[in-house]
This record gives sequence, structure tokens and C-alpha cells, in this order.
Amino acid sequence: GAVVSQHPSWVICKSGTSVKIECRSLDFQATTMFWYRQFPKQSLMLMATSNEGSKATYEQGVEKDKFLINHASLTLSTLTVTSAHPEDSSFYICSAGGVRSGSSYEQYFGPGTRLTVT
Amino acid sequence: GQNIDQPTEMTATEGAIVQINCTYQTSGFNGLFWYQQHAGEAPTFLSYNVLDGLEEKGRFSSFLSRSKGYSYLLLKELQMKDSASYLCAVRGTDSNYQLIWGAGTKLIIKP
Repeated sequence: GAVVSQHPSWVICKSGTSVKIECRSLDFQATTMFWYRQFPKQSLMLMATSNEGSKATYEQGVEKDKFLINHASLTLSTLTVTSAHPEDSSFYICSAGGVRSGSSYEQYFGPGTRLTVT
Repeated sequence: GQNIDQPTEMTATEGAIVQINCTYQTSGFNGLFWYQQHAGEAPTFLSYNVLDGLEEKGRFSSFLSRSKGYSYLLLKELQMKDSASYLCAVRGTDSNYQLIWGAGTKLIIKP
């Protein structure tokens, strides 16, 4: 249980175009989803937290107009990188909040999406 | 402020034991997680501690002391596949799911 998928797993796009990344919780309902970005050899950087049916909460320094997040259902959140630039090239990872069996809340991670902007 | 410290890099020998430490200072505490992350992959869950003491799970164990703001991850009988980054993360009291992440410890296993 607690499987999270991401699509696509990798994408190459041209500068100026937009890219949409999907994050789905396959076997549980996730009221909260997180979007992270990770540059090579660096730790996870939280970009935003999204709750189903409400606007996402962005971390300081993350442009909400550039990184559009939609959490329209309990199993799907999307991140759209608008007008992508080469500096947006990174590994984007989503996670979904769920209750670990008999324990407490945990984040279940998707496999990540590697974005390369040329 | 919120701060989680762990060593940047550690090296150990195949078959040996290694302990990765994590100290934290957070405004609230509601559990500590350890995740493993191989290069180019997403993190995978290893352990969760919310009470003081040692949690053992196979070759991996995790310890927590809330009074000291300290945790460690102990890896026994090291295998080459254990070469990865190990991330310490603390769940505060602000949100049910949000985690405060350490920078990760890169563990290098040598034959």
C-alpha cells in the first residue's frame, strides 16, 4: 500500500515552454501533497504544500506564478513549470501525506521527475 | 529557528557497522524520520521514532533521545548497496505531515 506515482519520469523541453508533472496517490487518499526540488548533490528543498481543494502554500523564494500547483482531487496533484528556463532543470519529487499503519503521519514519495530545459 | 544537523559524508567498510548522527532544534517535535536516498532516486522510508529508545528493523536501527534532541541511525553488516544518502527529518507540531529536513549524510561503502 501507499504507492505514489509521478508522470513523466523524465522530460526535456525547450526554454520558454511549460511542463506539467502529475503526482498520484494510487491506493490511498492524500489530503496533503508536497512538491520538492532537488539539485545535484543537494538535499531536498520543499517548494510548496498543497491541500485538496485549496490553494497551495509556497515556501519563501518560490514563485507561485511560475510553479503552478493544483490539487483538485484526493488522489491527484499537478505541478506546472511555466515558461521554463535552463535554471529550472532539476529533479522534482512529490510526496503524499498518509497515515502509516498504526503509527503516525508519513510522507510517501513518488519516484521523481527529472526535468531538463534546453 | 528550525535546525537539523547531520554529517555531510561518512565512509565505512563493507561488513562493518556505521552510526549516522542527527541533532535537531525545532519549535515542536512530533516524530523523527530517517529516509534513504540513492543517487537519482526519490527517498524511501527507513524508520520512525516518536518515543525515546531504540527501534530495530533488520540491519537498521534508529535511536531517539528527545531530551537531547538527538537521534542516530545504525547500519550493521554493511553492504555495497547501502551506499546512499541518509536523510534525517523531524515532524513539527505545525502540520500533520510537513517535515523539516536535514541536508543528508552521504555514506560511502568501500570493499
